[in-house]
Amino acid sequence: DAKTTQPPSMDCAEGRAANLPCNHSTISGNEYVYWYRQIHSQGPQYIIHGLKNNETNEMASLIITEDRKSSTLILPHATLRDTAVYYCTAGYSTLTFGKGTMLLVSP
Amino acid sequence: EAGVAQSPRYKIIEKRQSVAFWCNPISGHATLYWYQQILGQGPKLLIQFQNNGVVDDSQLPKDRFSAERLKGVDSTLKIQPAKLEDSAVYLCASSFRVTVGANVLTFGAGSRLTVL
Repeated sequence: DAKTTQPPSMDCAEGRAANLPCNHSTISGNEYVYWYRQIHSQGPQYIIHGLKNNETNEMASLIITEDRKSSTLILPHATLRDTAVYYCTAGYSTLTFGKGTMLLVSP
Repeated sequence: EAGVAQSPRYKIIEKRQSVAFWCNPISGHATLYWYQQILGQGPKLLIQFQNNGVVDDSQLPKDRFSAERLKGVDSTLKIQPAKLEDSAVYLCASSFRVTVGANVLTFGAGSRLTVL
């Protein structure tokens, strides 16, 4: 599995876009990038994943750099309920999680 | 669809006692994972099953932890004897393959263990 690096915390104003970065410079060619989030006292929840191309679903967008060494998760209009720890991970069948980024969305 | 079920949600035991956690994955999910999450840290993989076979148990402390997945469905994680440092949330997850090489994990709510 690729080692990932994320900032420990970020702040975002409600209604604004939240852009969460992740570095995965050791990623190999067939490893996907995944994003999960964890709200207090719950298990992690899947958000989105991608290999090379940018991806979008109802929850978020994922931008992967051309060299695949980093990615950005975008929450286009953050709400208070988006306050959570966001994990970026990359792997084939086994996923390793770091400490993630604590995103605090404020009114 | 029903999610990943785990029980018990909370367990308090004294050190050197034993404890068991149960997990029922999403129907049809062949892969099942047990993760340990200590407060303030990300989930750490303990063991991964593919059907009823072990894929990866390299981080499972085998002197005290054991896990089984009989018939490739439900799974049980046991700790015996428990130590203070085993206090954590034990997360079960199951996954399906969305495309070749991509597995999406669905986690249960977790079982919180406190060892006194």
